[in-house]
Parts: sequence; structure tokens; C-alpha cells
Amino acid sequence: AQTVTQSQPEMSVQEAETVTLSCTYDTSESNYYLFWYKQPPSRQMILVIRQEAYKQQNATENRFSVNFQKAAKSFSLKISDSQLGDTAMYFCAFRITISNFGNEKLTFGTGTRLTIIP
Amino acid sequence: DGGITQSPKYLFRKEGQNVTLSCEQNLNHDAMYWYRQDPGQGLRLIYYSQIVNDFQKGDIAEGYSVSREKKESFPLTVTSAQKNPTAFYLCASTDTTGSYEQYFGPGTRLTVT
Repeated sequence: AQTVTQSQPEMSVQEAETVTLSCTYDTSESNYYLFWYKQPPSRQMILVIRQEAYKQQNATENRFSVNFQKAAKSFSLKISDSQLGDTAMYFCAFRITISNFGNEKLTFGTGTRLTIIP
Repeated sequence: DGGITQSPKYLFRKEGQNVTLSCEQNLNHDAMYWYRQDPGQGLRLIYYSQIVNDFQKGDIAEGYSVSREKKESFPLTVTSAQKNPTAFYLCASTDTTGSYEQYFGPGTRLTVT
């Protein structure tokens, strides 16, 4: 079974600083996808960034980037120039294929609560 | 606007009563999911459906039931057999013909007393 571990339950950082959230996973699969989701106080889940395991290049979306280390099974999220709106729970998620339909099951970590301090 | 709607946002029930949570999507997605979120435990999969009239148990299906009579709708019933029903419930759907990205609804907070 796949597992996703987020070892930092809470983090805080000053506005405009850079912060890195860690995530490790365990799988015997060679092809998979990794995601970071953001859940602000509204509790709406928002996709931040995704990484395909077969791609060596780290994904980047504006101020958000990942450090994907496949051999180490590590997938950290870096937020640069942090903003007050970045305050949220952040979940790391792993996706496998569970049927021939291409249906995708997400396995989530327990989350990291990030607070951006003004 | 395309998206997923869940209603109501807050739901209160007495212990021993069944309750049905609504989930509707107009994204034309085939696959739909129900997750439960508890503090400190992330999201856990309850049920998923690949196609109309078909659904599969997830990791924590006991005490729950679903139906998928229409592509757009995937209601979740929390039965009296669910021992700890108070939680935040999230519905999601996936585009299985494109990016496979999972889209989430706004969630329903169920409180059972």
C-alpha cells in the first residue's frame, strides 16, 4: 500500500520569506503522480502543483516549486516570497491507477498547517 | 461556471438517523469520489465511482452507502452504523480523458449528536 508522510504538522514564516514543506512517500510503483493541495480556511481544496514521476525536471508554478527526489521518495514544496494568502493547510498527495478506466485514487498525507506572519 | 456543488454546507443530525449528503457536478466527469476529513488525518477515501451505476468501496466504507444513477450526481448516505459520523466530507471528480486532475467541492460539515 502507498503511504504519504508529512512530518511537519505546523510551520510559520514571516511574510516575503521562503518556506519549504516536506513530504515523503512509499510505493513500489514506478509511474505515478505527486500533488500539493492547498486548503485555506474556507476548506476548499485547491491544486497547487503536480509532478509526473517520469519527468526529471522539477515542476514550477509561479512562486511555488517542488524538489522531487525519486530515489529518496521525497517531494518537498517551496513557496517563495510568501504572502498572507498562502496561510492554509497543505496536503501532499500521491496518485495511483486503480482500474483499467484510468480512474485515479489519491492518497493524502496528514497535512502541514502553514501560517504566514505579517 | 463548471464545478462541483455540495449541499448543505453544515448539517446536523441526531444519533441513529441516516443522512444523505448531496454532490453534483457539471464538469462532465465520469469519475467521482467521496472523502472524509478528520483533524490530523488528512483525507480518507470512502467510496468512488468510475461510471454511472458502478461504484467501489474505498478505505473506510463501513457505515456509508452511495448511488450513482446519473453522471452528474453521487450522493453519500451516512448510516446509523457509522460509529463516528461527525466529520468534514469532501466530494471530488476527475477528468479521465485529459489531465486526470481531481476537482473538489466545497465540502459538508456533518455534526451528529
